[in-house]
Amino acid sequence: QSALTQPRSVSGSPGQSITISCTGTSSDIGGYNYVSWYQQHPDKAPKVMIYDVSKRPSGVPDRFSGSKSGNTASLTISGLQAEDEADYYCCSYAGTWVFGGGTKLTVL
Amino acid sequence: QITLKESGPTLVKPTQTLTLTCAFSGFSLSTTGVGVGWIRQSPGMALEWLALIYWDDDKRYSPSLKSRLTITKDTSKNHVVLTMTNMDPVDTATYFCAHSPLYASGSFYNWGQGTLVTVSS
Repeated sequence: QSALTQPRSVSGSPGQSITISCTGTSSDIGGYNYVSWYQQHPDKAPKVMIYDVSKRPSGVPDRFSGSKSGNTASLTISGLQAEDEADYYCCSYAGTWVFGGGTKLTVL
Repeated sequence: QITLKESGPTLVKPTQTLTLTCAFSGFSLSTTGVGVGWIRQSPGMALEWLALIYWDDDKRYSPSLKSRLTITKDTSKNHVVLTMTNMDPVDTATYFCAHSPLYASGSFYNWGQGTLVTVSS
């Protein structure tokens, strides 16, 4: 079971939109609607931002959205804010769970 | 309010067995659909899922670490315990436990603060 593939880094200016991709296989992302996304600030525990591909927990701004097409899931953050700068991890259920390698988001 | 807190040794020697406890509140592991999982993160590295136990005692393990891991629960004490045998310096990491509720069963919805475990002689 290999880790999901994410870009190592993405960046954007305040107010802009960015999208982080997460590529897996038909055995994980493509096979289940159980993709989740986590935000992690330095030295903090991860926080779920999206679950079940596109659902947002209460308290998560609607600037965060998730989607999936085939074996690739995506996290889009619109109206970037400084506090969005963090590491983001995707995760997929596949009978067990597998995480992506993480993407560092820099807000310029 | 759901809380989870990890506890265990901060330093273990190579070849020793690590035992970590996750103490939680705000939910019950006897509720249908609920799970508690363990995830670790080596310094500067990505998250790595280790194991999860469900309310019905169904247990799932990372295929790459399955031979070294055991996860158990004590529903009466609201505890989940993870043991990892034959520890190695590469197992140095922050270990998190997390709650997986029925309404978001494919995700880790609430996390503990994590506990740093260093493997060194």
